[in-house]
Amino acid sequence: GQQVMQIPQYQHVQEGEDFTTYCNSSTTLSNIQWYKQRPGGHPVFLIQLVKSGEVKKQKRLTFQFGEAKKNSSLHITATQTTDVGTYFCAGRGSGGYNKLIFGAGTRLAVHP
Amino acid sequence: DAGITQSPRHKVTETGTPVTLRCHQTENHRYMYWYRQDPGHGLRLIHYSYGVKDTDKGEVSDGYSVSRSKTEDFLLTLESATSSQTSVYFCAISPRDREDHEQFFGPGTRLTVL
Repeated sequence: GQQVMQIPQYQHVQEGEDFTTYCNSSTTLSNIQWYKQRPGGHPVFLIQLVKSGEVKKQKRLTFQFGEAKKNSSLHITATQTTDVGTYFCAGRGSGGYNKLIFGAGTRLAVHP
Repeated sequence: DAGITQSPRHKVTETGTPVTLRCHQTENHRYMYWYRQDPGHGLRLIHYSYGVKDTDKGEVSDGYSVSRSKTEDFLLTLESATSSQTSVYFCAISPRDREDHEQFFGPGTRLTVL
């Protein structure tokens, strides 16, 4: 079945450093979503990418969707302590099963 | 957020007992979902609903059943809880009433099965 792999599992950075998490799907996706979950909290929707090669920015966050629509990345420039949390990608298949499949998440720790 | 509440927020139960978790939304959204979250697995879909009395299975539905007799309530039942069902359970809705758009999540229920 469809799988979404996300790396790294854990990233520890100093405040001000950049951070990137990568997401790869075993099948072509119709769209991909990104969520952030603060410790002890619930997932919060960040963005959805739909088009091949799409790039979207939200302040210091840059999201990309690969040309083949099988991979995606989230890049945070100059991390802040408020960026702490787990970032999940969630891909929606383009075939028979079209429910969201979540990656395992990347936990980001930011040290001042 | 999006008027989603879950109850109870925490529950400890024993193996073999039935457990029902409730998700309540105040905005009459059509689509509702139940996920479980476990370390190393992200969120996995258990069951979902696309309307009153319309439900279907997700990736990990074994051992779970759901019911939706009113638009605002989506119930998840563990008929006979097992230790492998210890998890954090999240309910979600599709705020735009389109399945292919974002989801908003409730605060979660932490369930421990001893």
